[in-house]
Amino acid sequence: KAGVTQTPRYLIKTRGQQVTLSCSPISGHRSVSWYQQTPGQGLQFLFEYFSETQRNKGNFPGRFSGRQFSNSRSEMNVSTLELGDSALYLCASKNNMNTEAFFGQGTRLTVV
Amino acid sequence: GENVEQHPSTLSVQEGDSAVIKCTYSDSASNYFPWYKQELGKGPQLIIDIRSNVGEKKDQRIAVTLNKTAKHFSLHITETQPEDSAVYFCATSDRGSTLGRLYFGRGTQLTVWP
Repeated sequence: KAGVTQTPRYLIKTRGQQVTLSCSPISGHRSVSWYQQTPGQGLQFLFEYFSETQRNKGNFPGRFSGRQFSNSRSEMNVSTLELGDSALYLCASKNNMNTEAFFGQGTRLTVV
Repeated sequence: GENVEQHPSTLSVQEGDSAVIKCTYSDSASNYFPWYKQELGKGPQLIIDIRSNVGEKKDQRIAVTLNKTAKHFSLHITETQPEDSAVYFCATSDRGSTLGRLYFGRGTQLTVWP
């Protein structure tokens, strides 16, 4: 069974630009969560989607947004990039809201 | 919100020795406690988890213990091997609700010397 797939693996963007990251969950999994990982703040929850609806949101500014499609694939978007947005963005999938979360390898975003 | 503290931040052991990582949490509603291993350049990998109705769980060389009264849980790795070297994260979640977010500790860098 294929794992969680995140694309792209690496991104370099300039301040002020926007970026879209993609996550394909494990086949049959309907919940997708996004986390930001930085050396300073550790792993922080961004949001969770289930059946195309955002079910929970962390304490991030409105520049961070996401969506989920009918096939459970999810995208997150960050607008007006800042240097502090440089991080590893991780996607996790679950087959419903209350089971084990499996992570992808992440997208390493560097903002210059 | 939940606050998860993890200790130590770094741990070095000799191959074959045991390693113990401890976490405390603040929210008594937390009832699911997974542990993740993250190797360089990879995402976190779930290695073991425990529910609040269980005090201990073991899987080969890895075990987790939970003390709900004291709000702490620990990861025990026996007979460590160099391939156990990685960053380990503890996490909590309130799996009894419809919210599935994980709250993570800051991680422990485990180094196993051959």
